[in-house]
Amino acid sequence: SQQGEEDPQALSIQEGENATMNCSYKTSINNLQWYRQNSGRGLVHLILIRSNEREKHSGRLRVTLDTSKKSSSLLITASRAADTASYFCATVAYYSGGGADGLTFGKGTHLIIQP
Amino acid sequence: NAGVTQTPKFRVLKTGQSMTLLCAQDMNHEYMYWYRQDPGMGLRLIHYSVGEGTTAKGEVPDGYNVSRLKKQNFLLGLESAAPSQTSVYFCASGAREKLFFGSGTQLSVL
Repeated sequence: SQQGEEDPQALSIQEGENATMNCSYKTSINNLQWYRQNSGRGLVHLILIRSNEREKHSGRLRVTLDTSKKSSSLLITASRAADTASYFCATVAYYSGGGADGLTFGKGTHLIIQP
Repeated sequence: NAGVTQTPKFRVLKTGQSMTLLCAQDMNHEYMYWYRQDPGMGLRLIHYSVGEGTTAKGEVPDGYNVSRLKKQNFLLGLESAAPSQTSVYFCASGAREKLFFGSGTQLSVL
């Protein structure tokens, strides 16, 4: 079953505005990752935040993690048309087939940046 | 470097036909994964491999088989395709802290 769930499912904002999307997860984690998927393409790794970190930055991306609430947020500042994509959070999953070696993804937030 | 390469990119099958999807990576990664992506369902893990000669089941393994005979290749097989297997299939390689994805295979089963 899916560990993470993103919210909102879809978000439409004007270029230049900030975009915030959230992820909630169910079990304890060592780290949480965010990925971006452009239409018709594979996912691209954006950023990883470890369970002992509360905030992390990478360029225009800011990720926060609240392990007490089992939630994370991804903030994209000064959005651009090229940021239009789906964004997924991912955590390690445990499978009966072999152990903790799979990443499980949420259903994603579809972000549209309007020019 | 090519990264992760999937072939074919598109395929249409009739119910009951078989096919193999090939994934190749040139980053010397031990771990490789097969996911399927369906509208409204996100990505779901089918099978994965933690090294040459090993495979393990993920969340939705039924109806699929995999093989990892060489470290750089991970094959996903459908022995008897069903319409429920219509999906976009993604291969990924890497480790738990970062995955690299291929561009996907769009499979339609009629």
